[in-house]
Amino acid sequence: QKEVEQNSGPLSVPEGAIASLNCTYSDRGSQSFFWYRQYSGKSPELIMSIYSNGDKEDGRFTAQLNKASQYVSLLIRDSQPSDSATYLCAPGDAGGTSYGKLTFGQGTILTVHP
Amino acid sequence: NAGVMQNPRHLVRRRGQEARLRCSPVKGHSHVYWYRQLPEEGLKFMVYLQKENIIDESGMPKERFSAEFPKEGPSILRIQQVVRGDSAAYFCASTTTRVANTGELFFGEGSRLTVL
Repeated sequence: QKEVEQNSGPLSVPEGAIASLNCTYSDRGSQSFFWYRQYSGKSPELIMSIYSNGDKEDGRFTAQLNKASQYVSLLIRDSQPSDSATYLCAPGDAGGTSYGKLTFGQGTILTVHP
Repeated sequence: NAGVMQNPRHLVRRRGQEARLRCSPVKGHSHVYWYRQLPEEGLKFMVYLQKENIIDESGMPKERFSAEFPKEGPSILRIQQVVRGDSAAYFCASTTTRVANTGELFFGEGSRLTVL
Protein backbone atom coordinates (compact mmCIF):
# COMPACT_ATOMS: atom_id res chain seq x y z
CA GLN A 1 0.00 0.00 0.00
CA LYS A 2 1.34 3.39 -0.97
CA GLU A 3 1.87 5.79 1.90
CA VAL A 4 -0.13 8.57 0.26
CA GLU A 5 -2.61 8.01 -2.53
CA GLN A 6 -4.38 10.67 -4.48
CA ASN A 7 -7.24 10.30 -6.91
CA SER A 8 -5.92 9.50 -10.30
CA GLY A 9 -6.09 12.22 -12.85
CA PRO A 10 -6.03 14.15 -14.81
CA LEU A 11 -9.16 15.84 -13.54
CA SER A 12 -10.93 18.18 -15.91
CA VAL A 13 -13.70 20.53 -14.80
CA PRO A 14 -15.43 23.45 -16.47
CA GLU A 15 -14.84 26.96 -15.25
CA GLY A 16 -17.07 27.79 -12.33
CA ALA A 17 -17.50 24.19 -11.23
CA ILE A 18 -16.32 22.55 -8.01
CA ALA A 19 -13.13 20.54 -8.25
CA SER A 20 -12.76 17.73 -5.72
CA LEU A 21 -9.34 16.32 -4.92
CA ASN A 22 -8.96 13.33 -2.64
CA CYS A 23 -6.14 11.84 -0.64
CA THR A 24 -5.73 8.84 1.63
CA TYR A 25 -2.73 8.14 3.81
CA SER A 26 -1.43 5.12 5.65
CA ASP A 27 0.30 6.58 8.72
CA ARG A 28 -2.28 6.85 11.49
CA GLY A 29 0.15 8.95 13.50
CA SER A 30 0.09 11.89 11.09
CA GLN A 31 -1.34 14.93 12.83
CA SER A 32 -0.91 17.59 10.18
CA PHE A 33 -1.87 17.67 6.53
CA PHE A 34 -0.92 19.98 3.74
CA TRP A 35 -2.03 20.71 0.22
CA TYR A 36 0.53 22.14 -2.17
CA ARG A 37 -0.09 23.47 -5.65
CA GLN A 38 2.54 23.10 -8.36
CA TYR A 39 2.26 24.81 -11.71
CA SER A 40 4.01 23.12 -14.59
CA GLY A 41 7.75 23.70 -14.39
CA LYS A 42 7.46 25.59 -11.14
CA SER A 43 8.02 24.87 -7.48
CA PRO A 44 5.34 23.69 -5.04
CA GLU A 45 3.59 26.28 -2.90
CA LEU A 46 1.50 25.67 0.19
CA ILE A 47 -2.16 26.54 -0.25
CA MET A 48 -3.81 24.86 2.72
CA SER A 49 -2.95 23.19 6.00
CA ILE A 50 -5.33 21.34 8.30
CA TYR A 51 -4.75 19.74 11.69
CA SER A 52 -8.19 18.91 13.10
CA ASN A 53 -11.04 16.74 11.90
CA GLY A 54 -13.67 18.62 9.97
CA ASP A 55 -13.58 21.40 7.44
CA LYS A 56 -11.29 24.37 7.03
CA GLU A 57 -12.18 27.07 4.57
CA ASP A 58 -9.91 29.66 3.00
CA GLY A 59 -11.46 31.65 0.20
CA ARG A 60 -12.48 29.30 -2.58
CA PHE A 61 -10.60 26.41 -0.99
CA THR A 62 -11.98 24.01 1.59
CA ALA A 63 -9.94 21.22 3.14
CA GLN A 64 -11.71 18.32 4.82
CA LEU A 65 -10.02 15.92 7.21
CA ASN A 66 -11.21 12.61 8.62
CA LYS A 67 -8.46 11.02 10.68
CA ALA A 68 -10.49 7.91 11.47
CA SER A 69 -10.80 7.20 7.76
CA GLN A 70 -7.30 8.51 7.07
CA TYR A 71 -8.74 10.73 4.40
CA VAL A 72 -8.18 14.35 3.47
CA SER A 73 -9.70 16.26 0.58
CA LEU A 74 -9.52 19.63 -1.07
CA LEU A 75 -12.50 21.31 -2.69
CA ILE A 76 -12.03 24.23 -5.03
CA ARG A 77 -15.21 26.21 -5.59
CA ASP A 78 -15.81 28.41 -8.62
CA SER A 79 -12.83 26.86 -10.37
CA GLN A 80 -10.81 29.18 -12.58
CA PRO A 81 -8.42 28.40 -15.43
CA SER A 82 -5.65 29.76 -13.19
CA ASP A 83 -6.33 26.83 -10.83
CA SER A 84 -5.02 24.45 -13.49
CA ALA A 85 -2.03 22.82 -11.83
CA THR A 86 -0.90 19.69 -10.04
CA TYR A 87 -2.15 19.40 -6.47
CA LEU A 88 -0.01 17.53 -3.99
CA CYS A 89 -1.27 16.09 -0.74
CA ALA A 90 1.28 15.77 2.06
CA PRO A 91 0.76 14.39 5.57
CA GLY A 92 3.28 15.68 8.07
CA ASP A 93 5.83 13.47 9.73
CA ALA A 94 4.16 11.54 12.54
CA GLY A 95 7.42 11.30 14.41
CA GLY A 96 7.58 15.04 14.78
CA THR A 97 11.34 15.12 14.62
CA SER A 98 11.73 16.39 11.09
CA TYR A 99 9.04 18.95 10.73
CA GLY A 100 9.58 19.65 7.07
CA LYS A 101 9.88 16.01 6.16
CA LEU A 102 6.75 15.55 4.13
CA THR A 103 5.56 12.50 2.24
CA PHE A 104 3.93 13.79 -0.91
CA GLY A 105 1.36 11.96 -2.95
CA GLN A 106 1.81 11.51 -6.67
CA GLY A 107 -0.32 14.55 -7.30
CA THR A 108 -3.54 15.12 -9.19
CA ILE A 109 -3.40 17.17 -12.35
CA LEU A 110 -6.33 19.55 -12.52
CA THR A 111 -7.38 21.28 -15.71
CA VAL A 112 -10.07 23.94 -15.61
CA HIS A 113 -11.38 24.64 -19.08
CA PRO A 114 -13.23 27.82 -20.02
CA ASN B 1 8.96 31.46 -3.36
CA ALA B 2 9.94 33.64 -0.43
CA GLY B 3 13.54 34.07 -1.50
CA VAL B 4 14.97 30.56 -1.64
CA MET B 5 17.61 30.75 -4.32
CA GLN B 6 18.80 27.70 -6.18
CA ASN B 7 21.46 27.47 -8.81
CA PRO B 8 22.06 26.41 -11.38
CA ARG B 9 18.49 26.29 -12.63
CA HIS B 10 19.47 23.85 -15.35
CA LEU B 11 22.48 21.59 -15.37
CA VAL B 12 23.57 19.10 -18.01
CA ARG B 13 26.12 16.45 -17.17
CA ARG B 14 27.47 13.38 -18.89
CA ARG B 15 27.43 10.04 -17.16
CA GLY B 16 30.25 9.79 -14.65
CA GLN B 17 30.58 13.52 -14.03
CA GLU B 18 29.78 15.31 -10.80
CA ALA B 19 26.83 17.59 -10.20
CA ARG B 20 26.77 20.27 -7.52
CA LEU B 21 23.52 21.98 -6.70
CA ARG B 22 23.42 25.02 -4.47
CA CYS B 23 20.70 26.40 -2.29
CA SER B 24 20.61 29.69 -0.37
CA PRO B 25 17.67 29.62 2.06
CA VAL B 26 15.48 32.54 2.93
CA LYS B 27 17.45 34.96 5.11
CA GLY B 28 17.04 33.92 8.70
CA HIS B 29 15.98 30.37 7.89
CA SER B 30 18.15 27.78 9.55
CA HIS B 31 16.45 24.60 8.31
CA VAL B 32 17.04 23.31 4.80
CA TYR B 33 15.42 20.36 3.06
CA TRP B 34 16.22 18.79 -0.27
CA TYR B 35 13.57 17.00 -2.31
CA ARG B 36 13.84 15.21 -5.63
CA GLN B 37 11.12 14.99 -8.26
CA LEU B 38 11.73 12.34 -10.86
CA PRO B 39 9.82 12.52 -14.15
CA GLU B 40 6.23 11.38 -13.69
CA GLU B 41 6.79 10.87 -9.97
CA GLY B 42 6.01 12.81 -6.85
CA LEU B 43 8.31 14.80 -4.66
CA LYS B 44 10.51 12.64 -2.49
CA PHE B 45 12.28 13.80 0.66
CA MET B 46 16.03 13.39 0.54
CA VAL B 47 17.69 15.17 3.45
CA TYR B 48 17.12 17.68 6.24
CA LEU B 49 19.97 19.89 7.39
CA GLN B 50 20.60 22.61 9.89
CA LYS B 51 23.75 24.69 9.95
CA GLU B 52 26.73 22.30 10.04
CA ASN B 53 24.49 19.33 10.88
CA ILE B 54 22.70 16.63 8.96
CA ILE B 55 19.52 15.95 10.92
CA ASP B 56 17.81 13.35 8.75
CA GLU B 57 19.24 11.79 5.60
CA SER B 58 16.88 8.85 5.42
CA GLY B 59 15.86 9.72 1.87
CA MET B 60 19.33 9.97 0.43
CA PRO B 61 20.60 7.20 -1.83
CA LYS B 62 23.34 5.31 -0.03
CA GLU B 63 26.00 6.00 -2.60
CA ARG B 64 27.16 8.96 -4.66
CA PHE B 65 24.90 11.52 -2.93
CA SER B 66 25.97 13.87 -0.18
CA ALA B 67 24.71 17.12 1.29
CA GLU B 68 26.08 19.84 3.50
CA PHE B 69 24.99 23.13 4.99
CA PRO B 70 28.10 24.92 6.21
CA LYS B 71 28.22 27.67 8.77
CA GLU B 72 28.80 30.15 5.98
CA GLY B 73 27.48 29.85 2.47
CA PRO B 74 24.77 27.90 0.73
CA SER B 75 23.68 24.33 1.20
CA ILE B 76 25.19 21.99 -1.37
CA LEU B 77 23.77 18.77 -2.78
CA ARG B 78 26.51 16.82 -4.46
CA ILE B 79 26.02 13.91 -6.81
CA GLN B 80 29.11 12.03 -7.84
CA GLN B 81 29.42 9.86 -10.94
CA VAL B 82 25.98 10.77 -12.20
CA VAL B 83 23.86 8.25 -14.05
CA ARG B 84 20.85 8.80 -16.30
CA GLY B 85 18.51 7.86 -13.49
CA ASP B 86 19.66 10.94 -11.59
CA SER B 87 17.94 13.17 -14.14
CA ALA B 88 15.31 14.99 -12.14
CA ALA B 89 14.29 18.28 -10.62
CA TYR B 90 15.94 18.90 -7.27
CA PHE B 91 14.09 21.27 -4.98
CA CYS B 92 15.44 22.95 -1.92
CA ALA B 93 13.13 24.24 0.78
CA SER B 94 13.74 26.21 3.93
CA THR B 95 11.92 27.18 7.07
CA THR B 96 12.60 28.73 10.43
CA THR B 97 12.56 27.01 13.76
CA ARG B 98 9.51 29.06 14.73
CA VAL B 99 7.35 27.64 11.96
CA ALA B 100 9.12 24.35 11.58
CA ASN B 101 6.15 22.37 12.81
CA THR B 102 3.67 23.80 10.33
CA GLY B 103 4.92 21.96 7.28
CA GLU B 104 5.02 25.27 5.49
CA LEU B 105 8.04 24.88 3.35
CA PHE B 106 9.29 27.64 1.12
CA PHE B 107 10.59 26.00 -2.02
CA GLY B 108 13.13 27.32 -4.44
CA GLU B 109 12.49 27.14 -8.17
CA GLY B 110 14.51 23.96 -8.40
CA SER B 111 17.55 22.75 -10.27
CA ARG B 112 16.83 20.55 -13.23
CA LEU B 113 19.56 18.03 -13.83
CA THR B 114 19.82 16.25 -17.15
CA VAL B 115 22.31 13.42 -17.49
CA LEU B 116 23.28 12.51 -21.04
